[in-house]
Amino acid sequence: NAGVMQNPRHLVRRRGQEARLRCSPMKGHSHVYWYRQLPEEGLKFMVYLQKENIIDESGMPKERFSAEFPKEGPSILRIQQVVRGDSAAYFCASSQNGQGGNSPLHFGNGTRLTVT
Amino acid sequence: DAKTTQPTSMDCAEGRAANLPCNHSTISGNEYVYWYRQIHSQGPQYIIHGLKNNETNEMASLIITEDRKSSTLILPHATLRDTAVYYCIVRVVGEAAGNKLTFGGGTRVLVKP
Repeated sequence: NAGVMQNPRHLVRRRGQEARLRCSPMKGHSHVYWYRQLPEEGLKFMVYLQKENIIDESGMPKERFSAEFPKEGPSILRIQQVVRGDSAAYFCASSQNGQGGNSPLHFGNGTRLTVT
Repeated sequence: DAKTTQPTSMDCAEGRAANLPCNHSTISGNEYVYWYRQIHSQGPQYIIHGLKNNETNEMASLIITEDRKSSTLILPHATLRDTAVYYCIVRVVGEAAGNKLTFGGGTRVLVKP
């Protein structure tokens, strides 16, 4: 059973370009979470999605960042007009269900975004 | 959110048991204790979780005190590959909370030969 797949593993963008990060959850998982880890810092929650719905976006920056999890295909984290401060590792996690707290999140190995 | 307190760092000897403590004195009755670890440059790895009872799996054991205010993660025979940052997390449940995991600073564990 394949784990959470993220691509690309490394992404380099110039300031002002767009970055698109993809996440395919584990088979049978319908809940997706995105986290960001700045260099030498901890993991920060960004957004929690179910198929076609954003459930909790309390950690998303108000501008330039968006996320989706369509009915078909991977979840996408989109960063418009990237700036150097967006350079970080972005991790995606998935879980089987979202209620009750008894369903572990399983993480991918992340996308490392570098903005030049 | 129930907060957790962990030592910033600890060393342990290869082949010995590693006991990682965590305090969560404000935990609520329906909140789970989760443990993850992050090996350098990799994504967080799920280790184990529990509600009230002690739990064991192929990776580790989780001992939760009767009052649930603290827990200990036990790695029975530490290897060099267990060197990582270990996170103890109390998971807030319910639709409003979104079921997310909130990571703190964790314990930086160094396994020495």
